[in-house]
Amino acid sequence: RKEVEQDPGPFNVPEGATVAFNCTYSNSASQSFFWYRQDCRKEPKLLMSVYSSGNEDGRFTAQLNRASQYISLLIRDSKLSDSATYLCVVNTPGFQKLVFGTGTRLLVSP
Amino acid sequence: DGGITQSPKYLFRKEGQNVTLSCEQNLNHDAMYWYRQDPGQGLRLIYYSQIVNDFQKGDIAEGYSVSREKKESFPLTVTSAQKNPTAFYLCASTDRVGTEAFFGQGTRLTVV
Repeated sequence: RKEVEQDPGPFNVPEGATVAFNCTYSNSASQSFFWYRQDCRKEPKLLMSVYSSGNEDGRFTAQLNRASQYISLLIRDSKLSDSATYLCVVNTPGFQKLVFGTGTRLLVSP
Repeated sequence: DGGITQSPKYLFRKEGQNVTLSCEQNLNHDAMYWYRQDPGQGLRLIYYSQIVNDFQKGDIAEGYSVSREKKESFPLTVTSAQKNPTAFYLCASTDRVGTEAFFGQGTRLTVV
């Protein structure tokens, strides 16, 4: 089993739609979780951290489910500019390394 | 401004040559990482380092080498033993408390 797994997509949605991505992780002792956004041929950039209580930033909501070992990202009212690849990142115990999922590609169309 | 700088942005290598990719950060971060990304793929960990003079292999370390002589620098050498080095290479850094990773802009390496 991979340490971090994501559905690669692509997810094709119209503008204004709500879309959700899930990411599962294998190490139950993982402590830090993040969602990154990566545009084509660019470096990943932090979208949001994921806290146990869940967190929201505008149209984006991230949640963590420790019991089932997954994190989720919800995007409401999708914009064309949301088209990108979304990477799930997990920090292993002792903060020894960051593990990235393979990413989920989102395509928002007019 | 604090940040992480990779150079060069584009690099061309002949078959059988070693090349070194530079990564420098002025964020005072302890941990640094090298990732490889192939087209349409995710990031795969090559090497990482938690402190100066110490580093560990990631998932795809064969054909690569690193050094960490200074806190701010973590160069990656792609050796001739790496059979398929053409890829996008990303360097990142984090502090020790598990906060977000900062990335450099990446180096695109092409074998010609």
